[in-house]
Amino acid sequence: EVQLVESGGGLVQPGRSLKLSCAASGFTFSNYYMAWVRQAPKKGLEWVATISTSGSRTYYPDSVKGRFTISRDNAKSSLYLQMNSLKSEDTATYYCASSNEQLYPNWFAYWGQGTLVTVSS
Amino acid sequence: DTVLTQSPALAVSPGERVSISCRASEGVNSYMHWYQQKPGQQPKLLIYKASNLASGVPARFSGSGSGTDFTLTIDPVEADDTATYFCQQSWNDPRTFGGGTKLELK
Repeated sequence: EVQLVESGGGLVQPGRSLKLSCAASGFTFSNYYMAWVRQAPKKGLEWVATISTSGSRTYYPDSVKGRFTISRDNAKSSLYLQMNSLKSEDTATYYCASSNEQLYPNWFAYWGQGTLVTVSS
Repeated sequence: DTVLTQSPALAVSPGERVSISCRASEGVNSYMHWYQQKPGQQPKLLIYKASNLASGVPARFSGSGSGTDFTLTIDPVEADDTATYFCQQSWNDPRTFGGGTKLELK
């Protein structure tokens, strides 16, 4: 059974940094692209970042480009999201997600339970 | 970015058929996917590439459409289907999601 378990969320002041982690199990982690998707309170979903199987290629929307960095450790089956220069609008539940296809994700078949990040002074 | 527009809310009675629409601001071929999200839970994939049922999803759920107009149909609706339904496109970058349709049962 595929399991994705996020951690690292919490309350952080504007302008500060936070690093999220996602522990994966139940599948061959190194064979799949991975992604982060966030959901602001009572709002819709927003794709945040994607990383290739080796970690050599990363992709971001303009809203987080230059502030967020996605990375992975295939030996540990772990995914990370380093978030810098945080803003109030980054307040959201952050989900670790993956496809069931071994290529750049078109859809997200697997989701973690999410970790809440609150950016506030 | 490709904007996906969904109706905010629908209310139906158990046993009825419901259609949830998603309109894209530009063509997405058949690369539209649907998710169900219940309160306090993560999203769950229902339909991928417009009309393909995800693993383990009941056949009461179906999807249709291409280009800019897509529909998720639930027939018949059951009480457990109370949730918010999101569409998502992957034809254009960045991947974008609709605002969600909250389905309530009468």
